[in-house]
Amino acid sequence: SQTIHQWPATLVQPVGSPLSLECTVEGTSNPNLYWYRQAAGRGLQLLFYSVGIGQISSEVPQNLSASRPQDRQFILSSKKLLLSDSGFYLCAWDETGIRDEAFFGQGTRLTVV
Amino acid sequence: QKEVEQNSGPLSVPEGAIASLNCTYSDRGSQSFFWYRQYSGKSPELIMSIYSNGDKEDGRFTAQLNKASQYVSLLIRDSQPSDSATYLCAVKHSSASKIIFGSGTRLSIRP
Repeated sequence: SQTIHQWPATLVQPVGSPLSLECTVEGTSNPNLYWYRQAAGRGLQLLFYSVGIGQISSEVPQNLSASRPQDRQFILSSKKLLLSDSGFYLCAWDETGIRDEAFFGQGTRLTVV
Repeated sequence: QKEVEQNSGPLSVPEGAIASLNCTYSDRGSQSFFWYRQYSGKSPELIMSIYSNGDKEDGRFTAQLNKASQYVSLLIRDSQPSDSATYLCAVKHSSASKIIFGSGTRLSIRP
């Protein structure tokens, strides 16, 4: 069966510090991968999605970037965090044409101080 | 216009009644539609997916899709306190492999 791992679960970082969040999927090949952010009391904002290794589509201009160095690994990064980067970051995967539903990792709650 | 729109609520429904949640979308070519439930502080979990016009039932949940009206709904029968959560409507884009979410509807089931 497929599983998705996302870590860390919580993170407190100072303004201006770098960020690296990692997500890995097991039990599937060539999944679509997604990064979403959810501000407190708000909906899910799509940040990046990827349909294959090295293929990244950005949805929102910001100081975040994403990379997909391996088929089942998706990384969200920032060189310098802003206060506005605080939120709940969620990684998700799906398989277009096989199983369209997206499944989420446990999320990372990021607080920038 | 937002791509996926939902009434933010809160929607308050008495225990045992039917809760009705609605969603509209703008991308007319969309083919895949989903309802997720999210408890506070947790990640969303899939409740139902629907791909063709009409109704799809799964236990106490019924999803309804009307592509002509660009409208998706979720009915929850015999509402329970454990159904109290935020319900997110999601639509897979027709021209790109991306899933767009609505802002969610907060549902509260009162005893």
